[in-house]
Amino acid sequence: EVQLVQSGAEVKKPGATVKISCKVSGYTFTDYYMHWVQQAPGKGLEWMGLVDPEDGETIYAEKFQGRVTITADTSTDTAYMELSSLRSEDTAVYYCATGTTTVTGLFDYWGQGTLVTVSS
Amino acid sequence: EIVMTQSPATLSVSPGERATLSCRASQSVSSNLAWYQQKPGQAPRLLIYGASTRATGIPARFSGSGSGTEFTLTISSLQSEDFAVYYCQQYNNWPPELTFGGGTKVEIK
Repeated sequence: EVQLVQSGAEVKKPGATVKISCKVSGYTFTDYYMHWVQQAPGKGLEWMGLVDPEDGETIYAEKFQGRVTITADTSTDTAYMELSSLRSEDTAVYYCATGTTTVTGLFDYWGQGTLVTVSS
Repeated sequence: EIVMTQSPATLSVSPGERATLSCRASQSVSSNLAWYQQKPGQAPRLLIYGASTRATGIPARFSGSGSGTEFTLTISSLQSEDFAVYYCQQYNNWPPELTFGGGTKVEIK
């Protein structure tokens, strides 16, 4: 069974950095991209970027470029998303998601989400 | 950037009735369009990809249609578990662009 298990909720001050983990099981970690998606309270979904665990290559959405770093640790089958220079607008649930279909760019498995609250 | 616009924002439907949700792309995405369902407090679930192909385990009452810029998700006979928010997502301009619509909330009438 494919599972993506994320780290717990975080509370951060403006200007700080948060790092969230996503540990996978049930499939070969290096076979599929790992994506991260942001969802602000009561809002829609926004794709942030991805890492290819096989070689560590990343692609970031323009909105988050420069503030987000996505990495993968193949020794522990864990992906990480680090977001810096936090501001109140970054308060959101962050999901890791992967796509195991033959079509890339889809998300058929998701983590449970991690709530990040940015508040002074 | 491709902008995905969903309508209506909220759809009130009685159980057993048909629900029709729309998604429009600001430019053609061919058939590279997916639909997701999200219930409160849960992660989204993939329903449809390729505009009309149901994902594994998705009931036949969910169907998708369209191509280019206009897409529709139809739920033929709403069940209680179908009341949720639905998002469309394009993956035509990928990489690097993956964009979602703003969502349609299907609520009980």
